[in-house]
Amino acid sequence: EVQLVQSGAEVKKPGESLKISCKGSGYSFTSYWIGWVRQMPGKGLEWMGIIYPGDSDTRYSPSFQGQVTISADKSISTAYLQWSSLKASDTAMYYCARHVFGDWHFDYWGQGTLVTVSS
Amino acid sequence: QSVLTQPPSASGTPGQRVTISCSGSSSNIGSNTVNWYQQLPGTAPKLLIYSNNQRPSGVPDRFSGSKSGTSASLAISGLQSEDEADYYCAAWDDSLNGHVVFGGGTKLTVL
Repeated sequence: EVQLVQSGAEVKKPGESLKISCKGSGYSFTSYWIGWVRQMPGKGLEWMGIIYPGDSDTRYSPSFQGQVTISADKSISTAYLQWSSLKASDTAMYYCARHVFGDWHFDYWGQGTLVTVSS
Repeated sequence: QSVLTQPPSASGTPGQRVTISCSGSSSNIGSNTVNWYQQLPGTAPKLLIYSNNQRPSGVPDRFSGSKSGTSASLAISGLQSEDEADYYCAAWDDSLNGHVVFGGGTKLTVL
């Protein structure tokens, strides 16, 4: 069974750094792209970027380029989303999902990680 | 402002057929396939339709998708109370080195 399990909720202060994770299981982790999607409170879905764990090829949405870093450790089947300096506007639910190449749909989703940034 | 345009809300009574539209441009829907996601309250999104009109295993055939030019539609027939959710369209966009764009979402209310 394909599963994506994300790390738990985080509460951080503005300016702090953060790295959240997404562990895949039940499939060949290095053969599928993993993407990250942001959902701000009461708002819609926003595609942030993707990584191919097989060779760490990474692509970012123009809106998120330079704002976050996406990485992966294929040895432990885990993808990451990282911030170096959080802002209050980063408060959101973050989902990881498995991306299917070509059609680019997300076929399996993680349960989400709620990030709250508040002073 | 989302790149793909959806109506913010839709509604119907049980048993009815409702459609949700998704409008884009030549760089996204006009040249790539459309996918639809359902998000029930408090849960992660779920793939509903991929490649314009394909249903993943387990998705009832009450749900169907179509695409024409730079627009797409999701149709739900035999509306049920458990269909009350947010629905999002998405497509690959060829501009700016390529990225996925989502619609703003449509909140479906079953009256």
